[in-house]
Amino acid sequence: AQKITQTQPGMFVQEKEAVTLDCTYDTSDPSYGLFWYKQPSSGEMIFLIYQGSYDQQNATEGRYSLNFQKARKSANLVISASQLGDSAMYFCAMRPSNTGGFKTIFGAGTRLFVKA
Amino acid sequence: GAGVSQSPSNKVTEKGKDVELRCDPISGHTALYWYRQSLGQGLEFLIYFQGNSAPDKSGLPSDRFSAERTGGSVSTLTIQRTQQEDSAVYLCASSLRLADSTDTQYFGPGTRLTVL
Repeated sequence: AQKITQTQPGMFVQEKEAVTLDCTYDTSDPSYGLFWYKQPSSGEMIFLIYQGSYDQQNATEGRYSLNFQKARKSANLVISASQLGDSAMYFCAMRPSNTGGFKTIFGAGTRLFVKA
Repeated sequence: GAGVSQSPSNKVTEKGKDVELRCDPISGHTALYWYRQSLGQGLEFLIYFQGNSAPDKSGLPSDRFSAERTGGSVSTLTIQRTQQEDSAVYLCASSLRLADSTDTQYFGPGTRLTVL
């Protein structure tokens, strides 16, 4: 079965500190993409970062980096120097290629609270 | 360029009434997706369209739900005889291409549906 697991329903972090949001996935497909989205209180899903299953390097986008450990099937999101505006829900998602490509599978999300 | 737009942003209706939700994808995006997000939950896939191909309706929860996409662009999600359990945020996303695990979905702001 293809599945995304986010085990942290809520996380707190002090402003300016780094935080890691956990994500593990399960798929038998050797080719897949991993995504992280941010959903602030406004409700819109904002794409943050992408990691391909064959990528050798961990993806980085500004303050966001993806700690990709393929053997462990984990794709944790690291946010460096947290800001108050980072408070939001964060969703990990996977898009295997063997499902016909279109079915992106989302985790249940982690709510991040950044404290001043 | 413009992102994915959805209308209305909020819809309150009475149980038993029909509603139509609209999605305008990013220009040039051939794939379009509808998701449902209940309060505090993750995303539930509903339906997707790819170009002029027949849509995949496997995620629709009941035959009260239908969707169409005219001219390969704008899509309308229709819920007939609404029930209180239909209350949720309905999110639309579009992507540039389908048959690739790197394909990134970009989301609209969503329509919050409340069935009284």
